[in-house]
Amino acid sequence: AQTVTQSQPEMSVQEAETVTLSCTYDTSESDYYLFWYKQPPSRQMILVIRQEAYKQQNATENRFSVNFQKAAKSFSLKISDSQLGDAAMYFCAYRFTQGGSEKLVFGKGTKLTVNP
Amino acid sequence: DTGVSQNPRHKITKRGQNVTFRCDPISEHNRLYWYRQTLGQGPEFLTYFQNEAQLEKSRLLSDRFSAERPKGSFSTLEIQRTEQGDSAMYLCASSPPVSGGHYGYTFGSGTRLTVV
Repeated sequence: AQTVTQSQPEMSVQEAETVTLSCTYDTSESDYYLFWYKQPPSRQMILVIRQEAYKQQNATENRFSVNFQKAAKSFSLKISDSQLGDAAMYFCAYRFTQGGSEKLVFGKGTKLTVNP
Repeated sequence: DTGVSQNPRHKITKRGQNVTFRCDPISEHNRLYWYRQTLGQGPEFLTYFQNEAQLEKSRLLSDRFSAERPKGSFSTLEIQRTEQGDSAMYLCASSPPVSGGHYGYTFGSGTRLTVV
């Protein structure tokens, strides 16, 4: 079964510093999508970044980048120049498809605190 | 387009009552998903619609849960004979037709259900 593991329940970072959130996953597929979502205290999930497994180049979105290691099944998120507004729960997710269906499988999340 | 809309935002109900939640996806999105999230956990998949067809229903969903998406537009999730264990945030998400890549899912703000 596809599983997503986030081993860091909580992380903290100083404002303007860099932090890396870890994620590993288990799959037997060769082509798939991975996502990082942010969920601020208001609770709406916001897409941060996505990675297509067949692309070897790591995805970047402004201050957010990933380190995608396909062989190791690792998908970490790096946040550079951290800002107070980055404080939130961060969820790693794998897009699982089977037959005609699809779904996101989420990790348990990492709570990020940004200290001024 | 105002994104994915969910109503109500909050619902408090007595155990044994029936409740219904509504989700209005982004208009051009043909794929719709329901997830359940409990405190401190990542969202768990409940069900998936492609247009009006319900293509998958999680084993997490007991017979007390039913979802519909008439005409492939809005969706409703009904819980009959609610139990305290049903207390959670119910999230709806939608995504566009897959064409040349998958661009992630857009989530609504959720409906928080409290069963007393």
